[in-house]
Amino acid sequence: ELQLVESGGGLVQPGNPLRLSCKASGFMLSDYGMHWVRQRPGKGLEWLAGISWNGVNTDYADFLKGRFTISRENGKNSLYLHLNSTTVDDTAFYYCKTGIFVEPGIGAFELWGRGTLVTV
Amino acid sequence: SYELTQPPSVSVSPGQTAKITCSGDALPSNFVYWYQQKSGGQAPVLIIYEDTKRPSGIPERISGSTSGTVATLTISGAQVEDEADYYCYSTETNGNYRVFGAGTKVTVL
Repeated sequence: ELQLVESGGGLVQPGNPLRLSCKASGFMLSDYGMHWVRQRPGKGLEWLAGISWNGVNTDYADFLKGRFTISRENGKNSLYLHLNSTTVDDTAFYYCKTGIFVEPGIGAFELWGRGTLVTV
Repeated sequence: SYELTQPPSVSVSPGQTAKITCSGDALPSNFVYWYQQKSGGQAPVLIIYEDTKRPSGIPERISGSTSGTVATLTISGAQVEDEADYYCYSTETNGNYRVFGAGTKVTVL
């Protein structure tokens, strides 16, 4: 079964760091660019960061102001999000997802994890 | 920063057509994608990709279109099971970062 499973969420004190992990199973994470998305309680989806398949290129939402860092270890089939200088506004479900892979004439593939809850 | 604008809510009677718009200055240059998220903390599901295409398993009553800076998601013959939040998703002008619209809550009643 193809799966992404996030972990590392929990209760963190404001200002403290946290590292979230996303483990892929059933497929090679290295085949995909990856993203982190969050959803604050009762709010909409927010794209946070993306990373290329090989980790060379990363992009971030402007509002993060450099506080979060996305990284990956393809050898461990894992993706990470490092949260620094956390604030109460970072309280949210954090999801990892693959990039949207389109195969012309075939269709599109995308996979999301179930999310991990971070409470600041 | 770049924004995609959606109406907060849309109501539709069963069997009727619901249209959700998403406006953004960069949409003429970048694909738009649509997600459905049902309540209860479920992960979003991709229902339209590259403006108009449906992934496998998405019913034909769901369709996407674009015209200039506005993308539209259409739910024809709405059913109670279509009640959900819908988000558009695209890329900002220089193609580096992604953005979601604020979401539209669709109520079928």
